[in-house]
Amino acid sequence: QVLVQESGPGLVKPSQTLFLTCSVSGGSISSGTYSWNWVRQPAGKGLEWIGRVYTSGSLNYNPSLKSRVTISLDTSNNQLSLKLSSLTAADTAVYFCARGKDDENYYYYMDVWGKGTTVTVSS
Amino acid sequence: AIQMTQSPSSLSASVGDRVTITCRASQGIRKDLGWYQQKPGKAPKLLIYAASTLQSGVPSRFSGSGSGTDFTLTITSLQPEDFATYYCLQDYDYPFTFGPGTKVDIK
Repeated sequence: QVLVQESGPGLVKPSQTLFLTCSVSGGSISSGTYSWNWVRQPAGKGLEWIGRVYTSGSLNYNPSLKSRVTISLDTSNNQLSLKLSSLTAADTAVYFCARGKDDENYYYYMDVWGKGTTVTVSS
Repeated sequence: AIQMTQSPSSLSASVGDRVTITCRASQGIRKDLGWYQQKPGKAPKLLIYAASTLQSGVPSRFSGSGSGTDFTLTITSLQPEDFATYYCLQDYDYPFTFGPGTKVDIK
């Protein structure tokens, strides 16, 4: 059973850069035709897709964040990472990582989610 | 970006009730739509993908239908553990976009 767990600094100052990791256990992050997503959720609000990376290296980002975000895979440590620069209070949210998969008909779904890590941007 | 709307935004229902939630896309998305359930303080949980395919392990009281721009999630015989917020997600085009959610609470 694949499990994922996010980790991060908790509190970050405005204008700084956020670094989050998502550790994958119970399976290799680079096996199969999986992709790995980041999704965030401000307190009391809805979900926002940040971006994803395929094990092939293919990347897709939300244009609303594209200039500030980098998603990458660290296959040696079985981790997914997120870098988000130029932080503002609007980036305060719970950040989730989620495994994505295309089925045999190329329909996509996110089936394994971490519990999320809370990030607060404040001076 | 494709805009997703959901209705209602919230509803109150009783155990045993049949519940229907609607999701509408601002343009056609074929069947590239999933439904996710989220409980307070928890991660979203996949219920249905490809508009109507039930994820393994999800109870059969959940079902989805639709294609193009209009989709529905139906819960037949609502159970106590079903009180949660439900989100639709389109993965037809980038950026993937979620609906604003429908909160189902106890009447």
